Amino acid sequence: GEDVEQSLFLSVREGDSSVINCTYTDSSSTYLYWYKQEPGAGLQLLTYIFSNMDMKQDQRLTVLLNKKDKHLSLRIADTQTGDSAIYFCAESSWGRDDKIIFGKGTRLHILP
Amino acid sequence: DGGITQSPKYLFRKEGQNVTLSCEQNLNHDAMYWYRQDPGQGLRLIYYSQIVNDFQKGDIAEGYSVSREKKESFPLTVTSAQKNPTAFYLCASSIGTSGGAGAKNIQYFGAGTRLSVL
Repeated sequence: GEDVEQSLFLSVREGDSSVINCTYTDSSSTYLYWYKQEPGAGLQLLTYIFSNMDMKQDQRLTVLLNKKDKHLSLRIADTQTGDSAIYFCAESSWGRDDKIIFGKGTRLHILP
Repeated sequence: DGGITQSPKYLFRKEGQNVTLSCEQNLNHDAMYWYRQDPGQGLRLIYYSQIVNDFQKGDIAEGYSVSREKKESFPLTVTSAQKNPTAFYLCASSIGTSGGAGAKNIQYFGAGTRLSVL
């Protein structure tokens, strides 16, 4: 079945850029999403990208999509302590009854 | 304010007891979802509903039940048959493909309910 994979942990120094990577298996994926979860809270949508795009930028966030390799990344510029959270990659496609597939999440730890 | 409200924030279950988690949305969304989150497991889909009076099992439906009598509400009951209910439960909603969203089906999440066993 369809799958989305992410590394579980990432440590980055404050002020550096963070790059969180994700791979997926469904070649018919249409939209790909990045969600953020702070401790004890629900998921908050950060950004999404349509599969015919290569890149999307929104302030400190840059999403890169390599559809050929089924690889998605989220770059956070100038990482701050408030960016410490779990980041989930997710994808959706036609014909899946409104379901989207989530990765297991990458926990981003900020070093002082 | 539009959004999704889950209650209670914390819930305790005794042995052999059924408990019900509430999820209400005022976003006029057709689709609603229940997920279970365990540390290191990510999100696992329990049940989802694409429209009122209809719902489907997700990947881990055993020991859970739902109803969808109103568009705004999708309560989840954790039954006594669920032997390991301790987890963080998340409800979400989306416009859904019936709402014309196509494959762009952004899900919006509530703040979650943490269920523990006494």
